[in-house]
Amino acid sequence: SQQGEEDPQALSIQEGENATMNCSYKTSINNLQWYRQNSGRGLVHLILIRSNEREKHSGRLRVTLDTSKKSSSLLITASRAADTASYFCATDAGEYGNKLVFGAGTILRVKS
Amino acid sequence: DAGITQSPRYKITETGRQVTLMCHQTWSHSYMFWYRQDLGHGLRLIYYSAAADITDKGEVPDGYVVSRSKTENFPLTLESATRSQTSVYFCASSGSWALRGTDTQYFGPGTRLTVL
Repeated sequence: SQQGEEDPQALSIQEGENATMNCSYKTSINNLQWYRQNSGRGLVHLILIRSNEREKHSGRLRVTLDTSKKSSSLLITASRAADTASYFCATDAGEYGNKLVFGAGTILRVKS
Repeated sequence: DAGITQSPRYKITETGRQVTLMCHQTWSHSYMFWYRQDLGHGLRLIYYSAAADITDKGEVPDGYVVSRSKTENFPLTLESATRSQTSVYFCASSGSWALRGTDTQYFGPGTRLTVL
């Protein structure tokens, strides 16, 4: 069963707009990660936020984490056509062993 | 710097045949993982390994076998392939034995397997 559930399932925006994706999870976590997958490729790690952090930035990415609501959001600012991809959140579910549980993902399409 | 590679990239086989998917990483990462990706299910963990000769089941292990005799290799075998095992398979690795769920995973390019 999936720990993380992304919302929306699909998102279509114009280049230059911001894109926000949300992730909800069920159990306590040590950290939450976001990954990107371009069509036909493997996943690429974007950012990791620990359970004691509330916000983290990396370039045009901003991730927030609300452990009381068991939710996270990924904001991509000033989107580009190259940001078109699927985005997944992944949680460790508090387990030892570096195992991650992935959500079903959000498909982002950025139109130029 | 090869990183993590998978072979073959594409495979077509028939029901009942044995198939082995290969995964090789050059980082000497402790952890290695096998996932399958299907529409509507995201990535689901099949098996993982914390070190050579240490493997454990993930969420969907039935019908699969793994081994890890060397740190750098983690082959996945479908002993008798079924149509429900048609999927895209990803191998991943991550570094540290000591870090508790704080390490990122690095993914291979995937193997697209079709079982006829």
